[in-house]
Amino acid sequence: AQSVTQLDSQVPVFEEAPVELRCNYSSSVSVYLFWYVQYPNQGLQLLLKYLSGSTLVKGINGFEAEFNKSQTSFHLRKPSVHISDTAEYFCAVISVQGAQKLVFGQGTRLTINP
Amino acid sequence: DAGVTQSPTHLIKTRGQQVTLRCSPKSGHDTVSWYQQALGQGPQFIFQYYEEEERQRGNFPDRFSGHQFPNYSSELNVNALLLGDSALYLCASSPGVRRGPSNEQFFGPGTRLTVL
Repeated sequence: AQSVTQLDSQVPVFEEAPVELRCNYSSSVSVYLFWYVQYPNQGLQLLLKYLSGSTLVKGINGFEAEFNKSQTSFHLRKPSVHISDTAEYFCAVISVQGAQKLVFGQGTRLTINP
Repeated sequence: DAGVTQSPTHLIKTRGQQVTLRCSPKSGHDTVSWYQQALGQGPQFIFQYYEEEERQRGNFPDRFSGHQFPNYSSELNVNALLLGDSALYLCASSPGVRRGPSNEQFFGPGTRLTVL
C-alpha cells in the first residue's frame, strides 16, 4: 500500500517570492509521482510527473519538482509565484505495477498575497 | 476536444435516496476512474472501469457501484445515501490500462453532491 503526506496544509507567500510545497510518500513498491493543481471549482490539472531518469522534473507554469529516493520526497518548487498560482496543490503516487489507482495527499493550499 | 465531461454539476439529495453521476471520457481514452473528494481532503479512489468491467476498487462499500458503456462513458451510482457521502465526485480518464500507470489521468470538473 502507498501513502502520501503533504507537510503543510496552507502556505501563504508574497507575489514574486519563491515557494516550496513539501511531499513525502511511503510505499513498499516502486511508484510514479505526480503533482496536480486544483483551481477553485475546477477539476485537477497535471503540473508534472516523475517516471524515471533525471530526478529534477520541469512542469507547466514554471513549476519543477525534485525526486529524492533516499528521503522518499517529491517537493514542488517555483522560483517566483504569481497571483494566478493561488490554488490547491496535490501530490500523488501510483504503483508502477499492480493497482493503477492514484493515491493523493491531503493537499496544500497556496495563497499568494500582493 | 471537449476533455472529460461530467453531469450534473451540482446535486442535492436527502438521506436514503439514490443518485447517478455521469462521465464522458476524453476522446481516445477507454479507461475511467472515479474518485471522491471530501471537503478539505485529497481525492480517494473509488473504482476503475475498463472494457466495461470494474478492474480495481478502493475501500468503498457496495452502496457505490458503477457501469461503463460501449462508448467508454461511465456512471457512478450511490444507494442509500448518507450525510458522509457529501463530496465532490471526480471522474478521470486515461488512454488505456494496458499501457500502464505512467499515462496521465485527465480529470473532469466534478459533480458536487450534497446530502441533507
